[in-house]
Amino acid sequence: GQQVMQIPQYQHVQEGEDFTTYCNSSTTLSNIQWYKQRPGGHPVFLIQLVKSGEVKKQKRLTFQFGEAKKNSSLHITATQTTDVGTYFCAGLTGGGADGLTFGKGTHLIIQP
Amino acid sequence: GAVVSQHPSRVICKSGTSVKIECRSLDFQATTMFWYRQFPKQSLMLMATSNEGSKATYEQGVEKDKFLINHASLTLSTLTVTSAHPEDSSFYICSARVSGRNTEAFFGQGTRLTVV
Repeated sequence: GQQVMQIPQYQHVQEGEDFTTYCNSSTTLSNIQWYKQRPGGHPVFLIQLVKSGEVKKQKRLTFQFGEAKKNSSLHITATQTTDVGTYFCAGLTGGGADGLTFGKGTHLIIQP
Repeated sequence: GAVVSQHPSRVICKSGTSVKIECRSLDFQATTMFWYRQFPKQSLMLMATSNEGSKATYEQGVEKDKFLINHASLTLSTLTVTSAHPEDSSFYICSARVSGRNTEAFFGQGTRLTVV
């Protein structure tokens, strides 16, 4: 079945440093979505990428979708303590499965 | 955005008993809802896809007789963990999409199940 791999699993950064998490799918995706989950909370949608090579920005966050639609990345510039949480990518294939396949997530820990 | 309400948020039950978790879409109709399970500091694992008015579709390895899913209306799906065991202790989360397949998922608040 489809697998979505995400690295790194944990990332410690100093406040103000940049952060990147990478996502790679074993199959071509129709779209990829990114979610953020705060400790004790539920996943919250951040963005969806659909087009090959697409790049989207949300303030300090930059999302990319690879040309082959099999990989994606999330980059945060100048991290702040409010960025703490786990970032998940989730892929949707064009096949029969309708549920999202989540990566394992990257836990972002920020040291002030 | 759309709101999905999940209840209860926390439940503690004894081994052998059953627990029902409700997932409601409050301001939209959800023909399809999804149930996930999440272990501490791990990812969300899709358990099953709940289809309104029909049987749920379970992922490989998920026991359908143990995790009973009912989607009787366009706004309510329930997950019943039957004959619960301590290993069923986990965080269960439901989600729903407004329409189509290329739309964001809205998640319920999750249910922390502890089986003692």
